[in-house]
Amino acid sequence: KQEVTQIPAALSVPEGENLVLNCSFTDSAIYNLQWFRQDPGKGLTSLLLIQSSQREQTSGRLNASLDKSSGRSTLYIAASQPGDSATYLCAVRPNNNDMRFGAGTRLTVKP
Amino acid sequence: DVKVTQSSRYLVKRTGEKVFLECVQDMDHENMFWYRQDPGLGLRLIYFSYDVKMKEKGDIPEGYSVSREKKERFSLILESASTNQTSMYLCASSFGAGYFSETQYFGPGTRLLVL
Repeated sequence: KQEVTQIPAALSVPEGENLVLNCSFTDSAIYNLQWFRQDPGKGLTSLLLIQSSQREQTSGRLNASLDKSSGRSTLYIAASQPGDSATYLCAVRPNNNDMRFGAGTRLTVKP
Repeated sequence: DVKVTQSSRYLVKRTGEKVFLECVQDMDHENMFWYRQDPGLGLRLIYFSYDVKMKEKGDIPEGYSVSREKKERFSLILESASTNQTSMYLCASSFGAGYFSETQYFGPGTRLLVL
C-alpha cells in the first residue's frame, strides 16, 4: 500500500530564503504526483502536477521535481515571502482509482 | 476560474443523526471526490464519482454513502453520525476520463463536529 511521507512537519524560515520541501513515497509505480497549498481553515489549491513521464514542473517561483526510482519529490520555493506561509501537501496517484496524500509541511516565512 | 462550493463551513450534529454534506462545481467536471482531513493523517479519500449516478469507494468508505443525481452536485451522507466522524470534509472536482489524472480543484471544506 502506497504511503506518502513529508518531513519536516513544520518549517520556519526568514523572508527571502530559498527553501526545499520534501515528499517521499514507498512505491515508485505512480501515475503522477501533485503539490498543493492549504491556507488555514481552507481547501487545497493545486500548485504543480508532474506526470510520471516528467522530471519537473515550474510555475513562477515554484519548481517541483520528481525522481520515481528513489521515491522522492521536492518542491523548491525561491525567494520566499510571508505570503508563502501555508501548509504544503504532496499527493501521489498510485493507480487509476486512488490518490494518496502526505500529512503536509507547515511553512512559516517570517518578515 | 473553477469554483467548488460546499453547503456549510461549520456543522454541529449529534450522534445518530443523519448528516448531508453538499458540494457543487460549476465547470462541468466529470469527476467529483469526497475526502476527510485529520491532523497528522493527511487527506483520505472516502468516495469518488466519475459520472452521474456512478460512484466508487475510496480508502475509507465505511459509515458513509454518496449521491450524484446531477453532474454538478455530489453529496456525502453520514447515515448515523458518530463522534469518530468529527473531521474536516473536503470536496474536489476534476476534468476528464482519467479520474485522478488531471488537476483537482477543492472546495473550502466543511468542519463537522459530532457530539
